[in-house]
Amino acid sequence: DVVLTQTPSTLSATIGQSVSISCRSSQSLLDSAGNTYLYWYLQRPGQSPQLLIYLVSNLGSGVPNRFSGSGSGTDFTLKISGVEAEDLGVYYCMQATHAPRTFGGGTKLELK
Amino acid sequence: EVQLQQSGPEVGRPGSSVKISCKASGYTFTDYVMNWVKQSPGQGLEWIGWIDPEYGSTDYAEKFKKKATLTADTSSNTAYIQLSSLTSEDTATYFCALGVMDAWGQGASVTVSS
Repeated sequence: DVVLTQTPSTLSATIGQSVSISCRSSQSLLDSAGNTYLYWYLQRPGQSPQLLIYLVSNLGSGVPNRFSGSGSGTDFTLKISGVEAEDLGVYYCMQATHAPRTFGGGTKLELK
Repeated sequence: EVQLQQSGPEVGRPGSSVKISCKASGYTFTDYVMNWVKQSPGQGLEWIGWIDPEYGSTDYAEKFKKKATLTADTSSNTAYIQLSSLTSEDTATYFCALGVMDAWGQGASVTVSS
């Protein structure tokens, strides 16, 4: 199975600070058709996860544009340009290029 | 608006089975696969598998092939997951999630206790 390694596991930030989360894959997530099925989710405390980014860099519906995704192959990044209080929670990357789908271990974003 | 409404908390004895439902609305049920995801207490997300409601085809993570059974009823737009031979390791919250997981149910807790 594809292993997704997220770093850091915990991230402390102040409001307004820009932060990045890395997601590294044990295999390339580029498929033979040229698609990369890498997604980012946020799970706020006590809530279900919500989709932030799909296909590496596309914003989910209603997601603020302070969130952005980038990367290719095996290395991917989620950036938050100006953290807000509502962004606190655990972030997960997920790949769907290779069966089975797998999630990263999560990155907890907390207030400094 | 897409909504996924899951059934309530379940308590099961070791060795028994439980079945959780996920009722979908706001879209055509047969247009998208339904995923199931496990979250053990204080832990991350694990993909269990998906079901294509139109054809009934399924795919499971290897770890869950003998644990979970996914079904779907197109007459009621409801997806189900049955967990069998329960052990303490099955105590968790189980989510249904649509397609590329752009919509999630609220989660259903399963507690295994004698």
